[in-house]
Amino acid sequence: AQSVTQPDIHITVSEGASLELRCNYSYGATPYLFWYVQSPGQGLQLLLKYFSGDTLVQGIKGFEAEFKRSQSSFNLRKPSVHWSDAAEYFCAVGAFGGFQKLVFGTGTRLLVSP
Amino acid sequence: EPEVTQTPSHQVTQMGQEVILRCVPISNHLYFYWYRQILGQKVEFLVSFYNNEISEKSEIFDDQFSVERPDGSNFTLKIRSTKLEDSAMYFCASTTGGNNYGYTFGSGTRLTVV
Repeated sequence: AQSVTQPDIHITVSEGASLELRCNYSYGATPYLFWYVQSPGQGLQLLLKYFSGDTLVQGIKGFEAEFKRSQSSFNLRKPSVHWSDAAEYFCAVGAFGGFQKLVFGTGTRLLVSP
Repeated sequence: EPEVTQTPSHQVTQMGQEVILRCVPISNHLYFYWYRQILGQKVEFLVSFYNNEISEKSEIFDDQFSVERPDGSNFTLKIRSTKLEDSAMYFCASTTGGNNYGYTFGSGTRLTVV
């Protein structure tokens, strides 16, 4: 069974600074990896996803993530954070097959300081 | 961009009452899901549905829960006799499946059991 670990519960970043949110997964086969963002009281918005190919994936809002199989990681990055990026970020893993459930991490709450 | 629509956005119900949460998945999607997020916690898988039957369910999805696709567009989650601990945000999601799939989540229904 797959699992996801997001080791950072909270992260505070200054506006304009770079950001990296960590995600480690456990899955015995080819993982499908996702990052979602959730603003308070809102739904889940897909930032980016990885299935295969180039291990550096570009997403919306200037986010990118890099898949590192050797480290079982899929860290999310952004070169310059904006105040509007403050939200909860969830990493998720799905099994190969195109219809399997997603398993989510516990989330990282991003706070942006002025 | 196509959306998954959930109604109502917020529902308050008394303990022991039945509730039905409604979802309209994206029209060409084939796989449908319900997830739950208790306040401040991670998103948890409840059930997946394909070809008019449940394909997988979690241990949370006990006999009090049921899902149905009563027509070609709606996908419902019924909780027969609500408990206080059922209070949560419920998300519907759908996907086309296949080797390059992506899930689309609805904006959620916040269920409050009093």
